[in-house]
Amino acid sequence: QQQVKQSPQSLIVQKGGISIINCAYENTAFDYFPWYQQFPGKGPALLIAIRPDVSEKKEGRFTISFNKSAKQFSLHIMDSQPGDSATYFCAASKNAGNMLTFGGGTRLMVKP
Amino acid sequence: KAGVTQTPRYLIKTRGQQVTLSCSPISGHRSVSWYQQTPGQGLQFLFEYFSETQRNKGNFPGRFSGRQFSNSRSEMNVSTLELGDSALYLCASSSRTGATEAFFGQGTRLTVV
Repeated sequence: QQQVKQSPQSLIVQKGGISIINCAYENTAFDYFPWYQQFPGKGPALLIAIRPDVSEKKEGRFTISFNKSAKQFSLHIMDSQPGDSATYFCAASKNAGNMLTFGGGTRLMVKP
Repeated sequence: KAGVTQTPRYLIKTRGQQVTLSCSPISGHRSVSWYQQTPGQGLQFLFEYFSETQRNKGNFPGRFSGRQFSNSRSEMNVSTLELGDSALYLCASSSRTGATEAFFGQGTRLTVV
């Protein structure tokens, strides 16, 4: 059972544009929602995370928007750069342990 | 501060063999989780260890097992390898258990032939 659905699977954005990746979850017990960035041959790197008591969190060019009632959250990458080209994963976990449930991933390509 | 270290980086094994992978977490971190990453199934949780105790287990057969030592280092073992076990195995380190930041190592690429 896929508990976190991520879209789109792939995304092409021009340099300077905004990249938007969406995730939806089913389990209302989830209370921690991180985003990871993964480059080929590397492990996922934590980008930014949010808890359901806030609706938005911004760190540099990266913003998470969270809609608890809709059970959806999204990652916005402002002023996208070619160096942002990577695979992005959303994830969710409950407070009982560090078991992350991942979305299927989005392959982002930023064209110069 | 050193990151999460996984060894070896690459492994090639034959069907039916067993394999042991190692993970050294970030200094001071006591929680270690393991994940399997494949193109078809994506990132899937295997198990989590905290203070030498298994806290959570994913939906994998009993051929997959793990343990954690008193220094927080962890090993995972896969017995009777199958072709479908070919994957990138990732270890994640956290300072505590309970929905907190998890930092991943570079993974061990296992190929079963």
